[in-house]
This record gives sequence, structure tokens and C-alpha cells, in this order.
Amino acid sequence: AQKVTQAQTEISVVEKEDVTLDCVYETRDTTYYLFWYKQPPSGELVFLIRRNSFDEQNEISGRYSWNFQKSTSSFNFTITASQVVDSAVYFCALSEARGGGADGLTFGKGTHLIIQP
Amino acid sequence: SAVISQKPSRDICQRGTSLTIQCQVDSQVTMMFWYRQQPGQSLTLIATANQGSEATYESGFVIDKFPISRPNLTFSTLTVSNMSPEDSSIYLCSAKEGSGAGETQYFGPGTRLLVL
Repeated sequence: AQKVTQAQTEISVVEKEDVTLDCVYETRDTTYYLFWYKQPPSGELVFLIRRNSFDEQNEISGRYSWNFQKSTSSFNFTITASQVVDSAVYFCALSEARGGGADGLTFGKGTHLIIQP
Repeated sequence: SAVISQKPSRDICQRGTSLTIQCQVDSQVTMMFWYRQQPGQSLTLIATANQGSEATYESGFVIDKFPISRPNLTFSTLTVSNMSPEDSSIYLCSAKEGSGAGETQYFGPGTRLLVL
């Protein structure tokens, strides 16, 4: 069965610092999908990124970057020059491909990121 | 991306009663899912809502407690039956959009349920 571990329960940094959120996953499938979601205090779940298991290319989107390493089963998320608006709970999630398409997600426990002004 | 709405956004219910939550997507999607997020916890998949057939439930969730309907490609309902305080959670609907390498899942705003 699949599993996602976010070992950091809570991280607190001062604004403008860089911060990395760790995500380690377990799966027996060779084809799978990894996701990051942001849940601000308002509660909605905001999609950030999806990565396929066959695409190890790292990605950068503005201040956000993601480092996918199959060798260590990790999919870490870095926020550069953090801002107070980045304060939220961040979830890493995994989906195994069943029947040719991504299925329901298995979530990590989430990392509560606090950006102090 | 698909826009997903849920009704009600929140409710307070008495134990022993049932509540039906509606999920509407603004476009046709292949798959819809229901998740539960207990207070301060992560999200747990309840079931996959299949169009035209019974929902597929995850371990620990049963149809009698969480009956699900999916009458078409844009709509689904989740009923929380015979509620107890332990059912107090946020219930979220999600939809899978796109295909192949472009697939992703978007979430509705959630339904906050408090059972007294």
C-alpha cells in the first residue's frame, strides 16, 4: 500500500527566509503521481503541482520549486524568499495509477508553515 | 481548471440524523472522489464516486454509513448517515480533470459538519 510521510509537523521561519518542506513516499507501483496542495486558514485546498513518476525533471514556478528524486523516494518543496501569505498547511499526496488513470490520493499528515513578519 | 462547488458549506446536526452533501462540477469529469478531514488532521479518501455504478469504498468506510450517488458526469452526493459526534469533520469533494500526463485533481471548498 502507498504511504506519504511529511516528517515536519510545523515549521516557523521569518519572512524572506527560504524554507524546504520534505515529503517521502512509498509505493510498489512503477507508475504513480505526486502532488502538493496548499491549505490556507480559510480551509480550501489549492492545487500547486503534479509530477509523474517517469518525469524526474525538477520544476520552478516563481518562488516555488520542487525537487523530485526517485532514488530517495522524495518530492521536496522549497519556497524562496518566503512571505506571510505563504503561511498555510501544505500537503504532499500520492496517487497510484489504476486502470490507466490516476486514482484517489493518499495524503501526508501535512506541514504547518508559519511565516513570521 | 474545473470549478467545484459544495452544498451546504457548513451544518450543525443532531446525532442520529443524516445529512446529504452535494458536489457540482462546472464541466464533465471522468472521476469524482469524496474525502474526510477530521479536525487538525490530514485528508482521508472515503470513496470513488463512479458514474452509473456503485461507489468504490476505501478500507474503513462502508456504503451503509456513507451512501454515494453519481447520476451524471458533473454531480455527486455523499450522505453521512446516523451521525455521531465522531463524524464531525470537513467533507471534501474532488474531481479528476484532464488525461494522461495532464491529469490532476481539484477540490471543492468543503462542507464543515458539526454533530452534537
